[in-house]
Amino acid sequence: GAGVSQTPSNKVTEKGKYVELRCDPISGHTALYWYRQSLGQGPEFLIYFQGTGAADDSGLPNDRFFAVRPEGSVSTLKIQRTERGDSAVYLCASSSATDTQYFGPGTRLTVL
Amino acid sequence: GQQVMQIPQYQHVQEGEDFTTYCNSSTTLSNIQWYKQRPGGHPVFLIQLVKSGEVKKQKRLTFQFGEAKKNSSLHITATQTTDVGTYFCAGPHTGNQFYFGTGTSLTVIP
Repeated sequence: GAGVSQTPSNKVTEKGKYVELRCDPISGHTALYWYRQSLGQGPEFLIYFQGTGAADDSGLPNDRFFAVRPEGSVSTLKIQRTERGDSAVYLCASSSATDTQYFGPGTRLTVL
Repeated sequence: GQQVMQIPQYQHVQEGEDFTTYCNSSTTLSNIQWYKQRPGGHPVFLIQLVKSGEVKKQKRLTFQFGEAKKNSSLHITATQTTDVGTYFCAGPHTGNQFYFGTGTSLTVIP
């Protein structure tokens, strides 16, 4: 497809479980961002990839959160020992050199 | 840390009235971007401003970047129901981090 895709669209899990959220960026986009958006808030920066490397992971809230992009395309955000406070919409965006970010539809994570 | 604030948080207007949202950063920005997010949707890029004092127009939308590159505004003339949504400004910080503003939620009453 032409846009950024994210799977799953919805994820319900229990407190303490492990989850993986996937992002497929626009083909050819070297930059990839992960954000977290809570209801009524703006997107909160989590991590930025340039190619395969995490160029900036300063937004990850703690060491339960980790993200990879092994081949410089698809990225996976991994959350260990989920907590109720992790419930939010997780957004992925990709970008080329122009800085314009194209967002995916997001994954709505609910931790019960 | 950097903060990007927007005012107002909410705005209700009658269809046909004008609307303005203001964005203020605690630090100087190399550029500023504006996004629109419809209810239940994801942010969609509107425009990027780079130069100090820059003004850009897109039909009924006028975007302005402040002289000090720390503030910006979005003005919509003669709002329509299709303008409903939350408008976010966003800017880069220390190279790779990207901070979004708190957003202004616009409701247009037909």
